[in-house]
Amino acid sequence: AQKVTQAQTEISVVEKEDVTLDCVYETRDTTYYLFWYKQPPSGELVFLIRRNSFDEQNEISGRYSWNFQKSTSSFNFTITASQVVDSAVYFCALSEVNSGVYQKVTFGTGTKLQVIP
Amino acid sequence: NAGVTQTPKFQVLKTGQSMTLQCAQDMNHEYMSWYRQDPGMGLRLIHYSVGAGITDQGEVPNGYNVSRSTTEDFPLRLLSAAPSQTSVYFCASSYQVGTSGRPPYEQYFGPGTRLTVT
Repeated sequence: AQKVTQAQTEISVVEKEDVTLDCVYETRDTTYYLFWYKQPPSGELVFLIRRNSFDEQNEISGRYSWNFQKSTSSFNFTITASQVVDSAVYFCALSEVNSGVYQKVTFGTGTKLQVIP
Repeated sequence: NAGVTQTPKFQVLKTGQSMTLQCAQDMNHEYMSWYRQDPGMGLRLIHYSVGAGITDQGEVPNGYNVSRSTTEDFPLRLLSAAPSQTSVYFCASSYQVGTSGRPPYEQYFGPGTRLTVT
């Protein structure tokens, strides 16, 4: 069975500090997708990034970057120069893909990030 | 294009009552799913559907039923509400394969339904 572990329940940082959110996953499949979602205090879920199991290139988008390492089954998310607007709960998720068909998605328990001004 | 819509936004039920949470999407997504979100538990998959007429159980299906008679709609039925079903419910949808240049598998979420069972 697939599993996603976000060991950090809550993190507090001071504005402008860098912060890394950890995500470790378990799956027996060779084809899968990993995701990060953001849930701000308003409650909606916002897609941040998708990465497939065959693409281990790290990605940077503005202040956000993601480090995917298959060898350690990790897909960590770093926010550089954090801002108060980054305060949210962040979820890592994993989906298996069977013959091109999207299967069920498993979410981690989330990491609550508080950025203090 | 309304995206994913959910109704109602809030609901209070008494133990034993039944009700249906509605979910609709207008993006012609093949894949739809229901999650519940509880403090400290993240989002847990209740049921999902890979296309009209096809549904399957997720992690926590007990006490819930779904059907998918059309591509657009994926209602979630609570058969006999229990206090343990107090939660926030999210519906989500996505493409199965890239369509019109859009990437597959990225889930679009509805705004959620906050359900309280007393």
